[in-house]
Parts: sequence; structure tokens; C-alpha cells
Amino acid sequence: GAVVSQHPSWVICKSGTSVKIECRSLDFQATTMFWYRQFPKQSLMLMATSNEGSKATYEQGVEKDKFLINHASLTLSTLTVTSAHPEDSSFYICSAIAGGQADTQYFGPGTRLTVL
Amino acid sequence: AQSVTQPDIHITVSEGASLELRCNYSYGATPYLFWYVQSPGQGLQLLLKYFSGDTLVQGIKGFEAEFKRSQSSFNLRKPSVHWSDAAEYFCAVGAGTGTASKLTFGTGTRLQVTL
Repeated sequence: GAVVSQHPSWVICKSGTSVKIECRSLDFQATTMFWYRQFPKQSLMLMATSNEGSKATYEQGVEKDKFLINHASLTLSTLTVTSAHPEDSSFYICSAIAGGQADTQYFGPGTRLTVL
Repeated sequence: AQSVTQPDIHITVSEGASLELRCNYSYGATPYLFWYVQSPGQGLQLLLKYFSGDTLVQGIKGFEAEFKRSQSSFNLRKPSVHWSDAAEYFCAVGAGTGTASKLTFGTGTRLQVTL
């Protein structure tokens, strides 16, 4: 139980284009989802917190207009990287909290984004 | 603000040997502490967590961790390492009452296991 998937697992795009990454909770309803960014050989940095049906809360320094987050249902959150640039290349990871287990985050496998 | 330090970037142990991964945290209140393992192509998997109570916490895959408030540490241990334990290990501290919201991660320790 408590499986989180991400799609795509990797994506390559041209600079200036937008890329959408999906995060799904497969066997539970996720009241809250988180988006992290992980640079090579570095830790995970929290980008934003999204609650179903409301606007995402972004961490300091994260551009909300560049990283659009939508959490339209209890099983799906999307991260759209708009007008991507090479410096946006990174590993993006989502996690989800089940409604009755607020103390534990379940993580997706991550999405490798490469912007050329 | 909370922070987590994992002093060891890379550790190599022989299969069957014991393991201890260090984690030190900084947090103003009682911390919620976690250890996660990340294998290539897989998501972070929760090994164990500490919220309160017994300071020695048992987790999955034979791992345990001990919370030491006086040392601000939450070190991960395993008495006998298996080759399949080779992975990246992250310690994390959570903020927020009763939730794992806003986890702050350490930089991770890469474990290599030699046969």
C-alpha cells in the first residue's frame, strides 16, 4: 500500500518550452502533496506544498510563476515547469500524505528533467 | 529553522559487518525524525521514524536508530549489512505539530557494500 507514481520518469525538452510532471497516489487519497528538487549528489529541497483544492504554498526562493502546481484531485498533483531553461534541469520528486496518516510522507520515484 | 547534518558522504563496509550512519539535527522543539533510503530508479522508502517514547526505534530491513537528545543525534544502525543495502540514506527532521510536513533532509550518505 501507499504507492506514489510519477510520470514521466525522465524527460528532455528544449529551452523555452514547458514540461508537465504528474504525481499520483495509486492506492490512497492524498490530502497533501509535496514537490522536491534534488540536485546531483545533494539533498532534497522542498519546493512547495499543495493541498487538494487550494493554492500551493511555495518555499522561499521558489518562483511560483515558473513552477506551477495544481492539485485538482485527491490522487493527482501536477508540476509544470514553464519556459524551462538549462538551470531547471534537475531531479523532481513528489511525496504524498494520506489523510489518516499525517505523520508519514510516501515518495514517488522521481522525474529526471533535462533542458537543452 | 531546522537543519540536518550527515557528516559522512560515503561509507564502505563489508557484507556482514555492522553499520552506523550518523545524523545530527538542529531543531528548537521536540523533533520528528526520519530515516529514508533511496535506491536508483526508486522513490525514497521510509526505514523508520521517531516521534516520542522509546528512544530506540526499530525499522524495516533490520535497521534501528537511537534518538539521543543530549547529543542531538539520531544515528542509524544495522548489525549485519547485506549487499542489497547499498544505497543512499537520508536523515530528515520534520516540523509541524503531529505531521511530517516540511521535511528538512540531510545531504545523504552513500553506502557501498563490498563482498
